[in-house]
Amino acid sequence: DVKVTQSSRYLVKRTGEKVFLECVQDMDHENMFWYRQDPGLGLRLIYFSYDVKMKEKGDIPEGYSVSREKKERFSLILESASTNQTSMYLCASTLGGQGDEKLFFGSGTQLSVL
Amino acid sequence: RKEVEQDPGPFNVPEGATVAFNCTYSNSASQSFFWYRQDCRKEPKLLMSVYSSGNEDGRFTAQLNRASQYISLLIRDSKLSDSATYLCVVNLYNNNDMRFGAGTRLTVKP
Repeated sequence: DVKVTQSSRYLVKRTGEKVFLECVQDMDHENMFWYRQDPGLGLRLIYFSYDVKMKEKGDIPEGYSVSREKKERFSLILESASTNQTSMYLCASTLGGQGDEKLFFGSGTQLSVL
Repeated sequence: RKEVEQDPGPFNVPEGATVAFNCTYSNSASQSFFWYRQDCRKEPKLLMSVYSSGNEDGRFTAQLNRASQYISLLIRDSKLSDSATYLCVVNLYNNNDMRFGAGTRLTVKP
C-alpha cells in the first residue's frame, strides 16, 4: 500500500514564525497536493505539483509557498504564520494519468498559530 | 457558484434507510469524479469512482448526470458503520487538480 507520511501530527507555532510542513510518499507518485480542511468548508486546495520543481496554485495559495526538489517530497511553507492559518493540513499524492487519480492521504497535521 | 457543491446535510437516518447525496460541479468538460469517505479525525479515503454508465458496489451506487452536471451517491440499507462525512471530488479541469465539495455528514441511528 502507498504510504504518505506527514512529519508532524500536531504543531503549535507563534504568529510571524516560518513554518515548514513536510510530506513524503513512497510509491513514486507523480502528483502531490496540499489541502487545508476547516469546519464547514471542506478540503481546499492550496498547491499541487505534477513533477519535480513544478507547482500549480490551487484555490487558496495566498500566504503559502511550496517546494518539490525530489519526487517523493513535497513541502508546504508558511513564510510568516498568521492565526487564520490555524487549520488541519492534509498532504496527498496520486500516481497520475487517466485512471490513476486515486488520492492517497497522509494522516494530517493540525497546526495551531497563536 | 462554487466549483464543487454538495448537499449541506446533516443527514440523520435510521438503520436500514436509503439515503442519497448529490454534488454539482461547475465545469461541463470535467471527466473524472469520485466519492470519498472521511471518518472523524481521520483522513479521507476513496469510496468509489463514478463512471459515465453509473456503477454499483454492494449497497452503494454512484451515478453521473452530465447534462445537469451532477453526481450522486445512493446508500441502501444503511448501517451504523456508514456514519461518516461523504466528500464529492472532481478532477475539475482534467489536469489532476482535484477539487472537493464541503462534504455531507451522515449519521445512521439505531
